[in-house]
Amino acid sequence: AQSVTQPDIHITVSEGASLELRCNYSYGATPYLFWYVQSPGQGLQLLLKYFSGDTLVQGIKGFEAEFKRSQSSFNLRKPSVHWSDAAEYFCAVGAGGYSTLTFGKGTMLLVSP
Amino acid sequence: NAGVTQTPKFRVLKTGQSMTLLCAQDMNHEYMYWYRQDPGMGLRLIHYSVGEGTTAKGEVPDGYNVSRLKKQNFLLGLESAAPSQTSVYFCASTPEGVRGNEQFFGPGTRLTVL
Repeated sequence: AQSVTQPDIHITVSEGASLELRCNYSYGATPYLFWYVQSPGQGLQLLLKYFSGDTLVQGIKGFEAEFKRSQSSFNLRKPSVHWSDAAEYFCAVGAGGYSTLTFGKGTMLLVSP
Repeated sequence: NAGVTQTPKFRVLKTGQSMTLLCAQDMNHEYMYWYRQDPGMGLRLIHYSVGEGTTAKGEVPDGYNVSRLKKQNFLLGLESAAPSQTSVYFCASTPEGVRGNEQFFGPGTRLTVL
């Protein structure tokens, strides 16, 4: 069965500093990988996705992620964090014949002044 | 386009009561999903549908039933609510599965069962 691990429950980053959120997946076939963001009281919004091709994927709001098959990872990065980036971030993998997604438990990002 | 809408936004139930959550999408998507979100647990799939008239169980289906009588609507029912069903429920839809396709999420329904 597929699984997604986000090792960090909370991360605090200073505004303007760089950010990396970790995601590791377990899936036997070619994964379809996603990062979503959830602001307080809101639904989830897609940041970026990987399904083939270039392993460095660009997303919205200045985020990028790199797929590393050898490490089963899909880490999310941003060079300079803004206070508005404070939110919960979820990594997800497409599985089960690609009809469903399995989500990680999320990483809460706090941005300090 | 309204996207994915959920009704109601908030609800408080007593143990044993029943209710139905409605999800509607106006994007002509084939696939629809119901998730629950609990602190520290991420999103867990309850049931999903790959087309009108179809439903399938997800990771945590017990205590819930669903119906997809119309393509644009996906209903989640709780026949006899329990405190363990206190959660935030999200509906999502996607054109045809998740092969590189984004799931579009509704704003959520916050349910409290006393």
